[in-house]
Amino acid sequence: DSGVTQTPKHLITATGQRVTLRCSPRSGDLSVYWYQQSLDQGLQFLIQYYNGEERAKGNILERFSAQQFPDLHSELNLSSLELGDSALYFCASSMSRSSGGAGETQYFGPGTRLLVL
Amino acid sequence: AQKVTQAQTEISVVEKEDVTLDCVYETRDTTYYLFWYKQPPSGELVFLIRRNSFDEQNEISGRYSWNFQKSTSSFNFTITASQVVDSAVYFCALSEALGGSYIPTFGRGTSLIVHP
Repeated sequence: DSGVTQTPKHLITATGQRVTLRCSPRSGDLSVYWYQQSLDQGLQFLIQYYNGEERAKGNILERFSAQQFPDLHSELNLSSLELGDSALYFCASSMSRSSGGAGETQYFGPGTRLLVL
Repeated sequence: AQKVTQAQTEISVVEKEDVTLDCVYETRDTTYYLFWYKQPPSGELVFLIRRNSFDEQNEISGRYSWNFQKSTSSFNFTITASQVVDSAVYFCALSEALGGSYIPTFGRGTSLIVHP
């Protein structure tokens, strides 16, 4: 158990809908990262938040957004869902006490499996 | 740009065999970090090891060992006396600074199947 929690574990929805995925980092970790894992794209970094602020952005679609709240939990919002958004979404956290979080180990949650029908 | 290549898509072995998973990376940075993660059938990603670019010492942890060679840009992972519980997808990852935040790029993974 990494200490990172994600809810829900599974989500089935229809195209065009909007969903919210939730992540609670390990106790004491300030950074939260979101990843998408699909069969064709592999594990892709979406976005990072550090202590409530966006720190880095990867291959995140404009239809997707995220935020980190004062209690450090994070939510990933996926809107106007398409079939191709079906994937496993991971949240990870790291301590990031230093400014860059250089090379810190990221600990992953169990993931949310999203199926868009 | 960084790149991680795990050329072995799938490896199948019989229990107690030794197996090496290859990882080759590309980076222009002198400071970078390498990781291995395990993804068992249950789906979660489990951290195995982290190595920085200045530490080329090999590491052994039980049946697991890692060989880091900067000269060949490789960070290979060996499982000795494999067990059925080792069956999983293994990911190698490379992290370097991206706007001040070291975001890892993951390889496509190697699926290891250990048969009893």
